[in-house]
Amino acid sequence: GQQLNQSPQSMFIQEGEDVSMNCTSSSIFNTWLWYKQDPGEGPVLLIALYKAGELTSNGRLTAQFGITRKDSFLNISASIPSDVGIYFCAGMTTDSWGKFQFGAGTQVVVTP
Amino acid sequence: GAVVSQHPSWVICKSGTSVKIECRSLDFQATTMFWYRQFPKQSLMLMATSNEGSKATYEQGVEKDKFLINHASLTLSTLTVTSAHPEDSSFYICSATGPSGRAYEQYFGPGTRLTVT
Repeated sequence: GQQLNQSPQSMFIQEGEDVSMNCTSSSIFNTWLWYKQDPGEGPVLLIALYKAGELTSNGRLTAQFGITRKDSFLNISASIPSDVGIYFCAGMTTDSWGKFQFGAGTQVVVTP
Repeated sequence: GAVVSQHPSWVICKSGTSVKIECRSLDFQATTMFWYRQFPKQSLMLMATSNEGSKATYEQGVEKDKFLINHASLTLSTLTVTSAHPEDSSFYICSATGPSGRAYEQYFGPGTRLTVT
């Protein structure tokens, strides 16, 4: 079956530093999404990507849909304490309508 | 807009009992809802797809007789964990397709923490 590999598993950074994480897949996706989940809550959508090569920003967040359609990355610039949380990538293929496959998550810890 | 709620937010039950979890789209109609489970420090795993007025479709390995899903209306889907056991303890999260109906536009509920003793 499909496998989504997300790395790194965790990151400990200082406030103001940039953060980068990525996901790779063994299969082609037609949609990539990035979510943030706070403890005890559901995921919240950060960025959605629909086309290979697409680069999209949302404030300090930037994500790209890889040209091969098998990978995506998320960057967070100038991190702040409220960036703490778990970030998940999710992908969807054309033959699995609405069914997201999630990465294992990247836990981000920001220290002052 | 596009808010999804879940009830209860947490529940503790004894082994062998059944528990019902509700997922509601508060300000929009959702023809399709999805149910996920998430174990501690792990990712979300899709359990089933729930369509209003029809039977749910379950992912491979998910027991349909144990996890009963009913999508009774365009704003409500329920997940019933029957004869719960401690290994069913998990965080259950639902999502609903948004007003556009596009597959990638989904809104997640806040989750329900189930603990089976």
